[in-house]
Amino acid sequence: DQQVKQNSPSLSVQEGRISILNCDYTNSMFDYFLWYKKYPAEGPTFLISISSIKDKNEDGRFTVFLNKSAKHLSLHIVPSQPGDSAVYFCAASPGGKLTFGQGTILTVHP
Amino acid sequence: GAGVSQSPSNKVTEKGKDVELRCDPISGHTALYWYRQSLGQGLEFLIYFQGNSAPDKSGLPSDRFSAERTGGSVSTLTIQRTQQEDSAVYLCASSLDQYNSPLHFGNGTRLTVT
Repeated sequence: DQQVKQNSPSLSVQEGRISILNCDYTNSMFDYFLWYKKYPAEGPTFLISISSIKDKNEDGRFTVFLNKSAKHLSLHIVPSQPGDSAVYFCAASPGGKLTFGQGTILTVHP
Repeated sequence: GAGVSQSPSNKVTEKGKDVELRCDPISGHTALYWYRQSLGQGLEFLIYFQGNSAPDKSGLPSDRFSAERTGGSVSTLTIQRTQQEDSAVYLCASSLDQYNSPLHFGNGTRLTVT
């Protein structure tokens, strides 16, 4: 039972354009959502989070959108840079442990 | 400042042997988590600690897996009688508390069981 799903295994984007990464969840008890970025041989790095009382949170080039009725969240990166190339994980929590999606490999081409 | 530190970074062991993985969380972080990532898979929750107590051990795959945390700081994950399917990257994370604080991960221990 996969409670957090990232249906796109990979995404390829041109430098300077927008990257949109998507995530769906099934557990209505989740009230805190996060995005992590992971480079090879490193642990995941926290990017941005959003609580269920909000529908948008912005931090520099990164914006997370939450649609509670659709149980969907997305991460927008604009403008995309080659250094953004990594695996992106969404995660959700009802408080305590995080449940992670399977990850999306983002490649940003110069 | 110092992040989450895990040791060893790599461990190769023979099937049937026991292994211990160590995690030093960020100072002051009361919550500590263990996850693992098998090849091509997402992050699988194993166990988490609040202080020295483990309120949720639901992710431990079998009774060969155990973990402890002492002094509200260092944690060890022990795998007894290792099997080849235990091969994975074991990730430790800590957070300020268990309520809606981001987890900060270490770089993991890559365990290979031959």
